[in-house]
Amino acid sequence: QSVLTQPPSVSGAPGQGVTISCTGSSSNIGAGYAVHWYQHLPATAPKLLIYGNNNRPSGVPDRFSGSKSGTSAFLAITGLQADDEADYYCQSYDNSLSAWVFGGGTELTVL
Amino acid sequence: QVQLQESGPGLVRPSETLSLTCTVSGASISSYYWHWIRQPPGKGLEWLGRMFIRGTTDYNTSLKSRVTMSVDTSKNQFSLKVESMTAADTALYFCARGGYTGYDLDYWGRGTLVTVSS
Repeated sequence: QSVLTQPPSVSGAPGQGVTISCTGSSSNIGAGYAVHWYQHLPATAPKLLIYGNNNRPSGVPDRFSGSKSGTSAFLAITGLQADDEADYYCQSYDNSLSAWVFGGGTELTVL
Repeated sequence: QVQLQESGPGLVRPSETLSLTCTVSGASISSYYWHWIRQPPGKGLEWLGRMFIRGTTDYNTSLKSRVTMSVDTSKNQFSLKVESMTAADTALYFCARGGYTGYDLDYWGRGTLVTVSS
């Protein structure tokens, strides 16, 4: 059971948008620790998509954006493309566990 | 271009010790924190620990004292040892670099699958 909770799957049509939620608690997201998001395709290295709640590393399209509110964070993807199909993971730090913690992952399907 | 590559045995016997190595290219092993993460089949990601060149290590307490991390600066590699392996330790093991904020992971390897079986 993951410390951060994500929906197992989301889907959307090409060109549309989706939002993936990531819910934590007062010892991680709610404590002010930043949320980071990763994109993972099978047999590839996970890729940092969003860091520090809402910052994109160089090369990540602005179709990807992050936000945070209270004990939850959100990854929004607009203008869905076929190659956005992947698993998406949120991650933060938990001060009661003294550990980096992850969500269980959300599988994005582009219909 | 920063690249990380995990290597090690694909099969480990129960009760034995797993040894994995992560080879880093495009970045100095001396300048960052380095992490290990694993993903059991069909499950989410689990952080195992991190280390810094000057001997600083932080381990996931859920693994108690079974985990040890070390670094070989001459080879630009860092390593993971997990003692007393059981079937529950079967997973895809990733190495990653600590990133911009100190809490994110900006570069990862592709992972190496480790199966625990007799």
